[in-house]
Amino acid sequence: KQEVTQIPAALSVPEGENLVLNCSFTDSAIYNLQWFRQDPGKGLTSLLLIQSSQREQTSGRLNASLDKSSGRSTLYIAASQPGDSATYLCAVRPPNSGYALNFGKGTSLLVTP
Amino acid sequence: GAVVSQHPSRVICKSGTSVKIECRSLDFQATTMFWYRQFPKQSLMLMATSNEGSKATYEQGVEKDKFLINHASLTLSTLTVTSAHPEDSSFYICSARDRRSEKLFFGSGTQLSVL
Repeated sequence: KQEVTQIPAALSVPEGENLVLNCSFTDSAIYNLQWFRQDPGKGLTSLLLIQSSQREQTSGRLNASLDKSSGRSTLYIAASQPGDSATYLCAVRPPNSGYALNFGKGTSLLVTP
Repeated sequence: GAVVSQHPSRVICKSGTSVKIECRSLDFQATTMFWYRQFPKQSLMLMATSNEGSKATYEQGVEKDKFLINHASLTLSTLTVTSAHPEDSSFYICSARDRRSEKLFFGSGTQLSVL
């Protein structure tokens, strides 16, 4: 069974710092990997989606990498802002899963002014 | 962007009552909807997958008679927690797959508290 682990569980940084969130998964046979942002009382917002054949994706200050063979992905956030404070979830889509996702527990990020 | 509306956002009920949660795709047709559950400090766990017009497929350990799922149209799926108990207290969230783009969109979630 696919297990998704996110490290660290929580992170607090001062505004302006660059930071890296880590995600690992046990089964390298994935269809894609996705990073989400979850705000309290709100749904999930998709940040970046990396197909299994891709190595990275970028959107603004966010960059996500994927090393499928080692079962790892990182989410890099540049020049963090207080508005980035949220829980970040990593999810993998196994092949033949019918679009169902396996989620990690998330990293709770706090960016202080 | 596409919107998935989930209601209610929060519900408190007495033990033994039933609670219905609605998930609507507002500007797209959802061939498939997924229901997840998240306990505190745990990851989102898939409960069931529902395809429009057919019976839902439940994950192992999820009681289909307790968690009734109806996906009667391409824009609406409902999850009914029957005879809710305190251990059913959790965050429930739906996800809908756009029929055309095949992208996934999530609702805002429902926090269920059973007293």
